[in-house]
Amino acid sequence: EVQLVESGGGLVQPGGSLRLSCKPSGFTFSNSQMNWVRQAAGKGLEWISYISHSGGAIFYADSVRGRFTISRDNTQNSLFLQMDSLRAEDTAIYYCAATTVPGKGFDYWGQGTLVTVSS
Amino acid sequence: SYELTQPPSVSVSPGQTARITCSADALPKQYAYWYQQKAGQAPVLVIYKDSERPSGIPERFSGSSSGTTVTLTISGVQAEDEADYYCQSPDSSSSYWVFGGGTKLTVL
Repeated sequence: EVQLVESGGGLVQPGGSLRLSCKPSGFTFSNSQMNWVRQAAGKGLEWISYISHSGGAIFYADSVRGRFTISRDNTQNSLFLQMDSLRAEDTAIYYCAATTVPGKGFDYWGQGTLVTVSS
Repeated sequence: SYELTQPPSVSVSPGQTARITCSADALPKQYAYWYQQKAGQAPVLVIYKDSERPSGIPERFSGSSSGTTVTLTISGVQAEDEADYYCQSPDSSSSYWVFGGGTKLTVL
């Protein structure tokens, strides 16, 4: 059974940092492209970052570029999102999402972890 | 910036056909993907590459493309299909992904 489990969310003050983790199982992580997607309460989905299977290609949405850093450790089967200089507008549920077959979109999603940025 | 335009809401009665559209200038050149998100749950992929259906997705879900518009069609809508539906596509440089604003499907 495929699973992606996010962790690391919580309450942080504006300007603070958090590091999210995503632990996948049930598929070959090292062959999969990975993404982070967020969703503010009552709002739509927002893609924020992509990392290729090897980590050689990385992309960010304009809203987080320069503040967030995506990384992965294929030896530890883990995906990360380092979030710095957090703002109130970063408050959202953060999902990790996998593309296990190239071109198939985001075929597996985690259940999400809530990040709240507030003083 | 690249935007995908969806209607905010669509309503149908059980057994009818629901059609949800998604429009953008770049869609003739890029594939579209569709996700279903039920209340309080993570999204689920229901259509990829415009019209392909992942295993486990009911046959009543189908996708099509025509010019700058892609359409998710749900035939014989059931109460369990009530959800938010999002289209998705990469931008023309394929360096980032974009989601549409989402369409709330209400089953009357």
